[in-house]
Amino acid sequence: GAGVSQTPSNKVTEKGKYVELRCDPISGHTALYWYRQSLGQGPEFLIYFQGTGAADDSGLPNDRFFAVRPEGSVSTLKIQRTERGDSAVYLCASSLQANTEAFFGQGTRLTVV
Amino acid sequence: QKEVEQDPGPLSVPEGAIVSLNCTYSNSAFQYFMWYRQYSRKGPELLMYTYSSGNKEDGRFTAQVDKSSKYISLFIRDSQPSDSATYLCAMVAAGNKLTFGGGTRVLVKP
Repeated sequence: GAGVSQTPSNKVTEKGKYVELRCDPISGHTALYWYRQSLGQGPEFLIYFQGTGAADDSGLPNDRFFAVRPEGSVSTLKIQRTERGDSAVYLCASSLQANTEAFFGQGTRLTVV
Repeated sequence: QKEVEQDPGPLSVPEGAIVSLNCTYSNSAFQYFMWYRQYSRKGPELLMYTYSSGNKEDGRFTAQVDKSSKYISLFIRDSQPSDSATYLCAMVAAGNKLTFGGGTRVLVKP
């Protein structure tokens, strides 16, 4: 595709449920990033993949959060036992390689009720 | 203290004025610098990417980096109401994640 695609664009879930958020990066981009953005704040780093492996997962807030990128392309962010505090916009970005321009998707707005 | 500091604004300017935005940072390992524009309920859009001290110009936008002072700037000339958005600075240490400032909200009044 032409840009980074994130699905779904909106997700409403009940507290305690499991959710998966998907990111399709720009074709050929080896680096992929997940961020979380709360209202009025800058994006907060969650995890960074270089190829299939997580190069840095230091931003994942706790073990309820997990992300995979099994074939080095599409990535899925998984959140178990969701809490109301998980409500935010989850942003995905990709870049051709580390240190080059990073392009963002439109985000998934997650609301936990 | 945050690694990247950015005044949240709002910064209100009349149409046609120059918008001046800046970020300061504390990590001397940051080598690559980006500016993003974000409209409400949209993802950040890359405006400028620089990796050396000095100026880079692209149309109405000029990015400035001063690594010795750990200070970066973005200037928008001939501002338009469509430039009203939140502007985010981001920076990278080699091989690492993007670290963002908190964003500055800009309002350009017709």
